[in-house]
Amino acid sequence: DAGVTQSPTHLIKTRGQQVTLRCSPKSGHDTVSWYQQALGQGPQFIFQYYEEEERQRGNFPDRFSGHQFPNYSSELNVNALLLGDSALYLCASKLRYNEQFFGPGTRLTVL
Amino acid sequence: TQLLEQSPQFLSIQEGENLTVYCNSSSVFSSLQWYRQEPGEGPVLLVTVVTGGEVKKLKRLTFQFGDARKDSSLHITAAQPGDTGLYLCAAGGGSNYKLTFGKGTLLTVNP
Repeated sequence: DAGVTQSPTHLIKTRGQQVTLRCSPKSGHDTVSWYQQALGQGPQFIFQYYEEEERQRGNFPDRFSGHQFPNYSSELNVNALLLGDSALYLCASKLRYNEQFFGPGTRLTVL
Repeated sequence: TQLLEQSPQFLSIQEGENLTVYCNSSSVFSSLQWYRQEPGEGPVLLVTVVTGGEVKKLKRLTFQFGDARKDSSLHITAAQPGDTGLYLCAAGGGSNYKLTFGKGTLLTVNP
């Protein structure tokens, strides 16, 4: 049983570009959350998707957007990249109110 | 906004030593979770504490939830190099969809 998978593993972009990160949830999970983890910090909640809709959002600008597909996989899009967007982006999945499982993350570097 | 403060931020010890790390807040929590994150990986849930004064043990790890449910501690006995990692406490999840993390304690256990 595969856990949460994320792609790509690493990504390098330049300021002003746009990026799309992908997440496949653990089998049987219907809820996906995205977190940003800057170096030396704990993960910060970006948003959560359930039934293809954004259910809750953290304190992130509109440049951060997402999508959930009918197969429960999800994408995180970031527009107009800033240097400060460099971070590890984590996807977590769960089934309703149960334990969240995290993927290995995508390391985004903005130059 | 729930704020979780973890201490110490960094801890470097020798194999066989004991250690305690702390997670404190001014808020009362219905539950609190401890995660361990290794380099290049996402956080992995170690334990969830729910009841004030609760003590849970996971092999050499002992977790305690404060009586007032505002703080928690993690004690490791006879630390091993395999215990090296970032220890994060988090609150929320469940019906409160997002998890709020502390900044973590980076533990290094030297052989």
